[in-house]
Amino acid sequence: DGGITQSPKYLFRKEGQNVTLSCEQNLNHDAMYWYRQDPGQGLRLIYYSQIVNDFQKGDIAEGYSVSREKKESFPLTVTSAQKNPTAFYLCASSIQSGYRNTEAFFGQGTRLTVV
Amino acid sequence: GQQLNQSPQSMFIQEGEDVSMNCTSSSIFNTWLWYKQDPGEGPVLLIALYKAGELTSNGRLTAQFGITRKDSFLNISASIPSDVGIYFCAGGSQGNLIFGKGTKLSVKP
Repeated sequence: DGGITQSPKYLFRKEGQNVTLSCEQNLNHDAMYWYRQDPGQGLRLIYYSQIVNDFQKGDIAEGYSVSREKKESFPLTVTSAQKNPTAFYLCASSIQSGYRNTEAFFGQGTRLTVV
Repeated sequence: GQQLNQSPQSMFIQEGEDVSMNCTSSSIFNTWLWYKQDPGEGPVLLIALYKAGELTSNGRLTAQFGITRKDSFLNISASIPSDVGIYFCAGGSQGNLIFGKGTKLSVKP
């Protein structure tokens, strides 16, 4: 089945450690996004990529890094520089051409907890 | 930056009631999307709107793209228990998507 897969579902990290969240899609979508969601808040954009080997910072990129070496994959690294990393992280993808280029489809999310 | 005001923040429903929520912005959008999120899951796309004035239905859900392109509403008719969750609006333009803070639907005790 086509879709977007995030792993793991739950992740625990010690303070000061980097951790990488996985996002894979087989929808043949060009664009991929990472959002952060805190309780009672909307989704805030961390990074997005519209094409392989290229990505742009979103509204809250500090303390995060990404790579886009393959069309299907857009991993997010939460670095030790991120001061408040505990949150629910959502990956999304969308087609890039035409008027439907903002119709984003989401993965099931990764809940990251710093212990 | 662009912001969306989504209201109400939360509401309680009794089975069978109609529900209405809306989003407004000072910015113009080319696309309005409505999502539903269940606890611990990713948002699921419910309705996508692409033209000012467009009215689109998906079962008991109806959404409209405002004529000014700065607002949208979502109606749910004859609500059922599985309608509970958080509903997000999102406005899109030039490949960017801005989300509202969500409307939390709960069942009346």
